[in-house]
Amino acid sequence: GQNIDQPTEMTATEGAIVQINCTYQTSGFNGLFWYQQHAGEAPTFLSYNVLDGLEEKGRFSSFLSRSKGYSYLLLKELQMKDSASYLCAVRFSGGYNKLIFGAGTRLAVHP
Amino acid sequence: GAVVSQHPSRVICKSGTSVKIECRSLDFQATTMFWYRQFPKQSLMLMATSNEGSKATYEQGVEKDKFLINHASLTLSTLTVTSAHPEDSSFYICSPRPSGGYNEQFFGPGTRLTVL
Repeated sequence: GQNIDQPTEMTATEGAIVQINCTYQTSGFNGLFWYQQHAGEAPTFLSYNVLDGLEEKGRFSSFLSRSKGYSYLLLKELQMKDSASYLCAVRFSGGYNKLIFGAGTRLAVHP
Repeated sequence: GAVVSQHPSRVICKSGTSVKIECRSLDFQATTMFWYRQFPKQSLMLMATSNEGSKATYEQGVEKDKFLINHASLTLSTLTVTSAHPEDSSFYICSPRPSGGYNEQFFGPGTRLTVL
């Protein structure tokens, strides 16, 4: 089966750092994605991990541990515009390599 | 990055009518197309996967006779919601995968369907 868990909501202060965790259980793992989604808009790509370790891209970093079925997205120097939903998605190697999403984490950044 | 368009962006229809949503990959070819829907305050739920020229594979609980998918070319796929009902009101998003294979999966801008 496929199971992806992430916190429902988080709050943080402008300028701070926030870490959004994602755990998954699956057979046939083939990569983990993080997306940002503002209300009423399509998701936009943030990061992709397929090997263990940290991927850094500006203010955003993503970490993956395949043995633990665990990933996190780290957002630094938070800005008000970072208030959005953050979606963890796992790609499965069976069939068409489909991408399955977690429920998403709504992040609210306060001044 | 890749450019994906969806048309219409927003549609309101009466219950019982059919609605067709088009998804185009404008600067790349897509062998595989994923269709998702998203209800308010929920995440994206995969509805079906299609490969160009073949029948779509539907996820459990998604009625294939209600949600007709046509993937006739490498740049165009359509989703038709037949005999729409208010419970079909949702945000429908397509996601074409480039034929060459990329690590990033692209998404269309979405279509907001409201069924009265």
